[in-house]
Amino acid sequence: ETGVTQTPRHLVMGMTNKKSLKCEQHLGHNAMYWYKQSAKKPLELMFVYSLEERVENNSVPSRFSPECPNSSHLFLHLHTLQPEDSALYLCASSQEGPGEENEKLFFGSGTQLSVL
Amino acid sequence: GQNIDQPTEMTATEGAIVQINCTYQTSGFNGLFWYQQHAGEAPTFLSYNVLDGLEEKGRFSSFLSRSKGYSYLLLKELQMKDSASYLCAVLTTDSWGKFQFGAGTQVVVTP
Repeated sequence: ETGVTQTPRHLVMGMTNKKSLKCEQHLGHNAMYWYKQSAKKPLELMFVYSLEERVENNSVPSRFSPECPNSSHLFLHLHTLQPEDSALYLCASSQEGPGEENEKLFFGSGTQLSVL
Repeated sequence: GQNIDQPTEMTATEGAIVQINCTYQTSGFNGLFWYQQHAGEAPTFLSYNVLDGLEEKGRFSSFLSRSKGYSYLLLKELQMKDSASYLCAVLTTDSWGKFQFGAGTQVVVTP
């Protein structure tokens, strides 16, 4: 148990569907992240929220839309996805502040997404 | 660019020792982390190195050489439950994407 909970664990969706992934952290951390994990590839950072403010990144397609209503919850809204978006989506949290070791990431178990 | 390399897969027998190497070229360096990820589960923190040398934690040890851009994770007295993917991650000085990850090394422990 890492203190970061993700739902659902598995999701199958068609390219025209709209769905949302949910993440909740119980660690009192002040930063939350969405990562994409594809087979045999490094984790790819998608979005960062630090102190509930989104850190801008223009490389993620607009069909992925994050939402962070408070420091404990993070959502990833999905619409009109493509088959190449099929992957494991991991949520993580950390405590930003002094001490680099304290910045280690705590991950959820991920949502395995399949886009048909 | 940023680059973190580690072997794709390693196989070893129960009770043996396995060393997973990681080489990195990153923009700045604030430490190196190793994570363990069992299939279908969350990556979990194993170790952190920021100074050169060896850090030991029970059966697992991690080594760092900053001048060589090199680290290894040493797993001793292998157990079947050690079969997992091991991720090398560098904490960089980038304002975006502070953590750079390797693709992971799948360790298979055989009886």
